Amino acid sequence: NAGVTQTPKFQVLKTGQSMTLQCAQDMNHNSMYWYRQDPGMGLRLIYYSASEGTTDKGEVPNGYNVSRLNKREFSLRLESAAPSQTSVYFCASSDRGRGTDGYTFGSGTRLTVV
Amino acid sequence: GESVGLHLPTLSVQEGDNSIINCAYSNSASDYFIWYKQESGKGPQFIIDIRSNMDKRQGQRVTVLLNKTVKHLSLQIAATQPGDSAVYFCAENSNYQLIWGAGTKLIIKP
Repeated sequence: NAGVTQTPKFQVLKTGQSMTLQCAQDMNHNSMYWYRQDPGMGLRLIYYSASEGTTDKGEVPNGYNVSRLNKREFSLRLESAAPSQTSVYFCASSDRGRGTDGYTFGSGTRLTVV
Repeated sequence: GESVGLHLPTLSVQEGDNSIINCAYSNSASDYFIWYKQESGKGPQFIIDIRSNMDKRQGQRVTVLLNKTVKHLSLQIAATQPGDSAVYFCAENSNYQLIWGAGTKLIIKP
């Protein structure tokens, strides 16, 4: 049981390049999320998917797009990377229908845009 | 706007003592709060949660207290151990979104 798996773990991009961060969960959770965490800060929500087939903007969606490919997978795409997008990105999942609404997080993707 | 914040950015505690980490929130309509632990280089790890219809909830060595009157949340860790060293975040769950504070770094002194 892997929980939430993110790939890649590290990435360096040049300004203007594009890339997709992958996320998969094996807990049959309905909801999935993408967050970014800047140094010394809490997490900020980029996009979320409350259930398969739906996606919604979070607090900081500009410069990002997402795809809920199926119930397991939720990808985050940077179409034209900017240095301001240098951050650690976390994917998470949760199942609000259960007794605990605790989120399970992946181990993060460290992205540097130069 | 909505915000969740922490009183102390760094907390140093003697090993074996109890730790208390505090958090203030501003959205009085929030009905669910979560504490997370984040170790260096890792993702946040769920510790304990509490709903707004409760004042206290206990887990293994941890207790969360909720004071809705002053919109204050605290995490108590009993008999603090070296493995408790981490950054602790409180988060407010509102409409599928987690609103996070900046975090408190807990340092354990031997």
